[in-house]
Amino acid sequence: QKEVEQNSGPLSVPEGAIASLNCTYSDRVSQSFFWYRQYSGKSPELIMSIYSNGDKEDGRFTAQLNKASQYVSLLIRDSQPSDSATYLCAATGNQFYFGTGTSLTVIP
Amino acid sequence: EAGVTQSPTHLIKTRGQQATLRCSPISGHTSVYWYQQALGLGLQFLLWYDEGEERNRGNFPPRFSGRQFPNYSSELNVNALELEDSALYLCASSRMGLAGGEQFFGPGTRLTVL
Repeated sequence: QKEVEQNSGPLSVPEGAIASLNCTYSDRVSQSFFWYRQYSGKSPELIMSIYSNGDKEDGRFTAQLNKASQYVSLLIRDSQPSDSATYLCAATGNQFYFGTGTSLTVIP
Repeated sequence: EAGVTQSPTHLIKTRGQQATLRCSPISGHTSVYWYQQALGLGLQFLLWYDEGEERNRGNFPPRFSGRQFPNYSSELNVNALELEDSALYLCASSRMGLAGGEQFFGPGTRLTVL
């Protein structure tokens, strides 16, 4: 099992809907988890970090961490076409581990 | 606060040559990470430097090497370039190494090997 796994998608949602992105992790990663957004041809941009069990909200974004089930998710409310990008889940272990990313398309 | 900077933006080399890529971290950050991202693929971890020392390296051959300078800037060297080395090379920095520190990325260097 890879340290961090994501469904590669693609995921399509209509404008204004909630986009739900999921990530699972192995025992080899620790307690720090991150979500990055990467537009095509650009470098990843940090959206959220989450360190403790539960929800963390920042504007239209909510990160959820469930340590018992070893998953972390990102919810994007009121999705906009500008949210169309690849979303990378990351976690720390003996190095920084990135998932392969989920491609999100928001349809106007 | 200035972000992570990388140079050059683009680099074109021929097979067998050497490439040197440079990275300056955010002020106050001591850790620098290098990643390779081939077209359409995910981030592949290359190297991690902290306080001038190499802390970890990914599954890449020894012709990928680097160093971190006393001012925490870093360079990545790729020797004996191969066609498959063509990729976007990303540098990231963090304040605390793996102690939960968030990584912030530079804009990347696009390396093309002909």
